[in-house]
Amino acid sequence: GENVEQHPSTLSVQEGDSAVIKCTYSDSASNYFPWYKQELGKGPQLIIDIRSNVGEKKDQRIAVTLNKTAKHFSLHITETQPEDSAVYFCAASITGGGADGLTFGKGTHLIIQP
Amino acid sequence: EAQVTQNPRYLITVTGKKLTVTCSQNMNHEYMSWYRQDPGLGLRQIYYSMNVEVTDKGDVPEGYKVSRKEKRNFPLILESPSPNQTSLYFCASSFSKGGNQPQHFGDGTRLSIL
Repeated sequence: GENVEQHPSTLSVQEGDSAVIKCTYSDSASNYFPWYKQELGKGPQLIIDIRSNVGEKKDQRIAVTLNKTAKHFSLHITETQPEDSAVYFCAASITGGGADGLTFGKGTHLIIQP
Repeated sequence: EAQVTQNPRYLITVTGKKLTVTCSQNMNHEYMSWYRQDPGLGLRQIYYSMNVEVTDKGDVPEGYKVSRKEKRNFPLILESPSPNQTSLYFCASSFSKGGNQPQHFGDGTRLSIL
């Protein structure tokens, strides 16, 4: 089955700086890659996703890049703000490849230092 | 408001005492699933359901049961809970097959099995 590795497990950046979280996946058939943000006491919430026919996608301060050849994808957050502090999860899945859900990375705790 | 509702949010119980965690969604989603979240292990899928009366095992189904008698409800049943089932549990739903659709998560149920 699919295996998703996520790094780093903890990331501390100064407010206003950029943050980058990286994930690799094992199954070359995976073609859907969402990112979730989990705030304390809440469930994960989708913040951005990308499909394998696209190399990059942006939404305001958040961007995701995908390298299918290398089987890795990354989340980029620019001009970080205190409200960006949370745990971020990447995930991968195969569209039409079965009924299984997402395979998640182990998460990155992002800390924004004032 | 579109939401996934889990109950209870917190529960402390003892080994062997049957318990049920309820999950309900108001978005008319076909696909529902249960995950457990443990430190250092991320989110792991327990069971999922493609539609009413259709359920299947995820990655860590041992010790759990589910049912899907109605489209909106997907309860998680622990027939004989054990301490290794102490965890944070999340229910999620999506419009269709879970692997390629944004998942909507509940806010979690923290179970402690003594």
